[in-house]
This record gives sequence, structure tokens and C-alpha cells, in this order.
Amino acid sequence: SAVISQKPSRDICQRGTSLTIQCQVDSQVTMMFWYRQQPGQSLTLIATANQGSEATYESGFVIDKFPISRPNLTFSTLTVSNMSPEDSSIYLCSVEVVAGDTQYFGPGTRLTVL
Amino acid sequence: AQKVTQAQTEISVVEKEDVTLDCVYETRDTTYYLFWYKQPPSGELVFLIRRNSFDEQNEISGRYSWNFQKSTSSFNFTITASQVVDSAVYFCALSSNSWGKLQFGAGTQVVVTP
Repeated sequence: SAVISQKPSRDICQRGTSLTIQCQVDSQVTMMFWYRQQPGQSLTLIATANQGSEATYESGFVIDKFPISRPNLTFSTLTVSNMSPEDSSIYLCSVEVVAGDTQYFGPGTRLTVL
Repeated sequence: AQKVTQAQTEISVVEKEDVTLDCVYETRDTTYYLFWYKQPPSGELVFLIRRNSFDEQNEISGRYSWNFQKSTSSFNFTITASQVVDSAVYFCALSSNSWGKLQFGAGTQVVVTP
């Protein structure tokens, strides 16, 4: 497994602003992912964070709204841009140490947009 | 298309009762992986089990047990002698490729009262 941390753990933001969420892993991992969990809902994959190249986005999610970086094998960021109240969710980072292995999740970032 | 159905939205039990969570999946792939995760009120997602499509053996881990039946496309989860600490949302998930995209069910809220 891997130890995953996320910063911030929670935040309250104003409409129209942006927030960058960091995901740090204690060891090198092959795959990193970002998920969104809207209030009372299940998890939805936003994108796969690719090291050294552009992230791969799922249907319904675009780079302009959710830019992602992954500069190395232990770190990734997700930015939620031009936020609206509909972006209020828990954002979770997950990793696979080895591709195809079990996904482990970070503690999540609880975002509230006013 | 992949789909995971958790028909039970919420299950309430009294401590020491057994509780079974249903999970039915759909996939056209012959190789796939099934998972159960626990999400306590704190919000983090805790990995419980991973099972591949070629391994239909049931598994027991302490008070937890899982029943995988390919014939009915089900992967059910039983908590024996439930405890208050088992109160959480439990998610069943499916992955049918090596690139880690997890398709989550809607989740089942388990409430265990003393």
C-alpha cells in the first residue's frame, strides 16, 4: 500500500475563485487519479494524472475547469477553477503502486463554495 | 458499458446483528476486478478487499466475509456480529482493465445502533 496525504483537508471558497489541491505519496507510484464525490453521492473519476504529460480526462470533465499536474511519481495537484457552488464536493486522490493493482485513496479534501 | 448496482440505500441494524450488503455488476470483459471500500463519517476511503474474476472462492477476514458468484454477477459482503464502529458507507466497485478506472456503485449506508 501507500501513505497518501492531501492538502488542504478542507476549505471554504468564494464563487469565481480557484483552489489547488495537493496529493503527496510516501513512495513512487505508477498511477495517480483524481475523483469527485458530490454530497451524498458516489465517487466519479475526474482524470488520470500522467507523469510528464497531460492528464487523461473522463467524459464531462475538461482541462480548463480541472487542470492537473503530475511533475513526478509521488506528487500531483488538482485545481478547481472558477468555482461555483456546484463544485462543493469531496475531492479524493488515489494511487496504484503498480498499474493494475489495488487503488488506495487519500483522506480527501472537503470543498465548500459559497 | 460497466455498471455497479447497490440497491440498498441504507441498512439499520442493532449491534451484534449480521448485515449483508448486495452488489450486482455488469461488464462485457472476461477479466475484471471487484472491490469493496468503507467510508466512515470522517470521509476517507478504506480498502477492504480486491477480487479478480477468476477467483470465485469466498473469503473471510475476521467479521467480514465476501460471496462472489459469477453466475449471478454478484459480489456480496457480510458483516457478522456488527459493531457501532461498522457504521459507514460501503462502496462496491468494478475495474475491468489494467489502467485503474474504478466504476463505483451508489453506496450503502450502514447504521449500527447500540
